[in-house]
Amino acid sequence: ETGVTQSPTHLIKTRGQQVTLRCSSQSGHNTVSWYQQALGQGPQFIFQYYREEENGRGNFPPRFSGLQFPNYSSELNVNALELDDSALYLCASSLSRRRNTGELFFGEGSRLTVL
Amino acid sequence: ELKVEQNPLFLSMQEGKNYTIYCNYSTTSDRLYWYRQDPGKSLESLFVLLSNGAVKQEGRLMASLDTKARLSTLHITAAVHDLSATYFCAVDWTGNQFYFGTGTSLTVIP
Repeated sequence: ETGVTQSPTHLIKTRGQQVTLRCSSQSGHNTVSWYQQALGQGPQFIFQYYREEENGRGNFPPRFSGLQFPNYSSELNVNALELDDSALYLCASSLSRRRNTGELFFGEGSRLTVL
Repeated sequence: ELKVEQNPLFLSMQEGKNYTIYCNYSTTSDRLYWYRQDPGKSLESLFVLLSNGAVKQEGRLMASLDTKARLSTLHITAAVHDLSATYFCAVDWTGNQFYFGTGTSLTVIP
C-alpha cells in the first residue's frame, strides 16, 4: 500500500511569486485535505477536496487554490506569495467520513520558504 | 469558532515517570484524534477516539475521550526517551476539517 507522497519536499521562493505543491493520496483514498503548519504551531486547515470538488475551506484568502484530479491526486497553488506563507504544507488523505473513522494520513510535507 | 487547547505546552519529564497531557475543546464533537510529530517530520496517527468513554492504548500511551466534559487525555506510563516528540490532539467538528490543538512538546530526560 502506497502512502501519501508530496513534492517538492523543500523550495524557496521570493515574495510575489507563485508556487504549486503536489500530493498523491494513499491508495484507495478519495479525499484530500491541505494544511498549513507554521513553525511552532499546530496545522491549520486550508481546504479539502472530495471527488474533484472543494468540500470545505478554512480561513485562507482566495490566492490559495487547489485542484483534485480523477486519480484523487491534488495540487495546492499559492499566488502572490507573502513572507507569512513560509510554512510546512501538509497534504492528508482519507476515506469519506460517513462510513469511516475519518482518520487523516499525512504526507511528509513541503517546506516552503518565502524570501 | 472551535477552539482546541492543550496543556501543558511544554513537558520535560524523567524516564520512568508518568504524566498526562490534556486536550480541551470548545464545542460538541464525538471524534477526536491524537497525532505525534517528530522535529522536521510529518504527523503520525496515534489514536482515533470515536465515542464518549472511548479508551485506546498502545504501548506506553493511553488516550481517552469524555465528550460531555469536552476533554481528552493522553497518558504516558513509564516514559522512555523514544517518546520525545510533539503531540497534537485534533477535533473533527464539521465533518471535513480538523481543528488541531496547540501541541505539547514532550522531552524525556534519561
